[in-house]
Amino acid sequence: GNSVTQMEGPVTLSEEAFLTINCTYTATGYPSLFWYVQYPGEGLQLLLKATKADDKGSNKGFEATYRKETTSFHLEKGSVQVSDSAVYFCALTPNTGGFKTIFGAGTRLFVKA
Amino acid sequence: ETGVTQSPTHLIKTRGQQVTLRCSSQSGHNTVSWYQQALGQGPQFIFQYYREEENGRGNFPPRFSGLQFPNYSSELNVNALELDDSALYLCASSMDLVNTEAFFGQGTRLTVV
Repeated sequence: GNSVTQMEGPVTLSEEAFLTINCTYTATGYPSLFWYVQYPGEGLQLLLKATKADDKGSNKGFEATYRKETTSFHLEKGSVQVSDSAVYFCALTPNTGGFKTIFGAGTRLFVKA
Repeated sequence: ETGVTQSPTHLIKTRGQQVTLRCSSQSGHNTVSWYQQALGQGPQFIFQYYREEENGRGNFPPRFSGLQFPNYSSELNVNALELDDSALYLCASSMDLVNTEAFFGQGTRLTVV
């Protein structure tokens, strides 16, 4: 079946450090891949997405590249800020239609000033 | 601001009771999905509605049911509440089945005591 595995948190970084949150997936065909962010007390916000192999999604300094060969979609940011502290979810939507999105367990990021 | 609103934001119920959670989607969005997010976990897909009919269901018992209305609002009903039903319930809407971007509401925090 379809599944998403992402690195366990929490991840604690100092401001301006480099961020990587690993995400791998299992799916048939070519799913669409997403990163969502959840700030405390809020719902999920779409951060970025990629819909086919080798696509790079980017937004607010975050990037992730759809790697079919390694079934990965790792999230990166060159210089994190305190305001990036949140929980990050990797997710996929199978290419069979609809959006029965499957989420990873989430990775909590703390950024210290 | 995603244009998706949920009510109430918080709710406390007693085991065995019934609850109705509400979601107002963006105008024109024909598809709505509901998710359960337990503390520290990723969202789990409950079911999806497309044009007022159930279009798919996750691994949840029949006491979880839903409705979607022509005015882009929807409901999640849970009967015979159990302690393990305590979670954040999220709805997500999309313009159509083939549009894979989901817009999430802020969620309803349900506590069952």
